[in-house]
Formats: sequence, structure tokens, C-alpha cells
Amino acid sequence: DTAVSQTPKYLVTQMGNDKSIKCEQNLGHDTMYWYKQDSKKFLKIMFSYNNKELIINETVPNRFSPKSPDKAHLNLHINSLELGDSAVYFCASSQVSTLKPGELFFGEGSRLTVL
Amino acid sequence: DAKTTQPPSMDCAEGRAANLPCNHSTISGNEYVYWYRQIHSQGPQYIIHGLKNNETNEMASLIITEDRKSSTLILPHATLRDTAVYYCIVRVYNFNKFYFGSGTKLNVKP
Repeated sequence: DTAVSQTPKYLVTQMGNDKSIKCEQNLGHDTMYWYKQDSKKFLKIMFSYNNKELIINETVPNRFSPKSPDKAHLNLHINSLELGDSAVYFCASSQVSTLKPGELFFGEGSRLTVL
Repeated sequence: DAKTTQPPSMDCAEGRAANLPCNHSTISGNEYVYWYRQIHSQGPQYIIHGLKNNETNEMASLIITEDRKSSTLILPHATLRDTAVYYCIVRVYNFNKFYFGSGTKLNVKP
């Protein structure tokens, strides 16, 4: 079983369209994340949800709207896609605990290409 | 979170130990050192973490200096499959943010 799974793996679309990427984790973690990796390979945190609540929003344009229906799912919806949105988007999860450090588990990424 | 500094790239011969350095001179007392790697365009993979003691697992060893201002990730017998970008991160253990720097591209050569 894949611990953190994302769909779709590849997405090619036109500027101005709206698209969504879905993420699911079966690790029982309480925290999920979206990261963006651009063409220069920098990996930047976008959002983090803890038990369905948004706790990190790293000055991402409001065209990006994350939604967490439950703590095992975190979806990313992008409105009015722009060329600069082309990137690989990674979902990740972790267990934030006061008892021991939790590491991040990443999905395999969703490569978005905006034409 | 403290910033980290890593060399942009390193080469290593297959079968030899790969020693990847990381400077984190502004690390705080409650911040852990984490190492991840990213093979090609796959999702980053956790390797190891530590606070102040040296750590070892099936993948690697982590050596943290006594003043905690730097650390070294050691892959004892590098293979071609270890070619990847290696990221050193410091964070407070119960805090949600993992900030990735530019990492070190390790090239393992036959």
C-alpha cells in the first residue's frame, strides 16, 4: 500500500483553467502538507493542515485553495492557472507529537504543466 | 528555523563512504537535524535525524559536532542508487514547518 498517494501524477492544461490535485495518506498522521518544486528544484512549503485545520499558509496566491475533508485527505484546487504554476506539487504527511520527532512522508508528486 | 548551508555538489566513488557536510551555526537547543534525499524527481525520502548524539540506522550515520553547529551525513558504502540531492534541515521537533534548502547533489560514480 502506498503511504501517501497523489492523483493525478501528470496534468497538462491551458492557462486560465481550474484544476485539482488530490492527496490521501494511510499512515494515520494528523498533519498534511503541500510543497511546490519549481524548475530550479527548490522545494517550498505552501500549506499545512493539522486535523483538518489550516495552520501554515506561506503567502501563496489565493488562486490556490487547499481543502481537507478529513485528516487523511488534503486536496489542492488551483483557479485561473498561470504559466508560473507549472511545477511538481508534492503532498506530505507527518505526525506532530510532543513525545518524539515526526518525519515527513512524501507522495510521488504531481507534475503540472500549464501551456 | 535555523538556516543550513550545504555544498552544491559532491562526487563519490561507488563502494566508498560518502560524507556530506552541513553547517547550521544558528541552531537552537531544541532544534533537531534532519536529512532527506530526493532521487531524480521522486518525492523526498527521510534518511535520519538527531538532536546531539550521533545516530545510525540501516541507511546512514549522522555525526553532529559537540557545539551542534554542523553535522555530517555518512553513507558508508555508496552505490549508484545513492545518486540524489541530499537535504539537511533543522527544525523544532513538534513544530510543523520543514524548510528545504538547495541541498547537495551527490554523484556516485562507478
